[in-house]
Amino acid sequence: AQTVTQSQPEMSVQEAETVTLSCTYDTSESDYYLFWYKQPPSRQMILVIRQEAYKQQNATENRFSVNFQKAAKSFSLKISDSQLGDAAMYFCAYRSQETSGSRLTFGEGTQLTVNP
Amino acid sequence: DTGVSQNPRHKITKRGQNVTFRCDPISEHNRLYWYRQTLGQGPEFLTYFQNEAQLEKSRLLSDRFSAERPKGSFSTLEIQRTEQGDSAMYLCASSRQVRETQYFGPGTRLLVL
Repeated sequence: AQTVTQSQPEMSVQEAETVTLSCTYDTSESDYYLFWYKQPPSRQMILVIRQEAYKQQNATENRFSVNFQKAAKSFSLKISDSQLGDAAMYFCAYRSQETSGSRLTFGEGTQLTVNP
Repeated sequence: DTGVSQNPRHKITKRGQNVTFRCDPISEHNRLYWYRQTLGQGPEFLTYFQNEAQLEKSRLLSDRFSAERPKGSFSTLEIQRTEQGDSAMYLCASSRQVRETQYFGPGTRLLVL
């Protein structure tokens, strides 16, 4: 079974600075997707960024980028020019492409605080 | 797209009562997922549907839990004889195809007293 680990329960960053959230995962599969989801307080979970395992190029979405290290099974999220609206719980998630279920397996989450 | 909607948003019930939650996926999304999220944890998979067929159930889904998607559109999740351990946020997500992004609803927060 796949597992996802986020070792930073809480992180904080100053507005306009850069912060990196860590995620490691364990799998024996070679074809999968990785995701970062953001869950603001009392609001629904939204997709921040996703990475296909077969792509070597790291995904980017505006101020959000990932560092995907497949051999190390590491998938970190970098948020540049942090904004107050980035404050949320961030979840790393794994999805197999080799089984039919396509369920998401989530990490424990990292609570990000953005200080003005 | 109007997004995934869930009702009710909050539910307080007494132990032993039955509760039912509803999820309306994004129109034309044929995959629908249920997850459970306890405080301070990441969501955990419960079950999913491809159209009206329930294709997989997690072992977290005990016999007291039942989910349906009768016409391949909205879905209901029923918990019978609720226990305090059932207190959690119940999240619904949908996707158009198996390999596409799952979009989440706002969740139903259940408190069992």
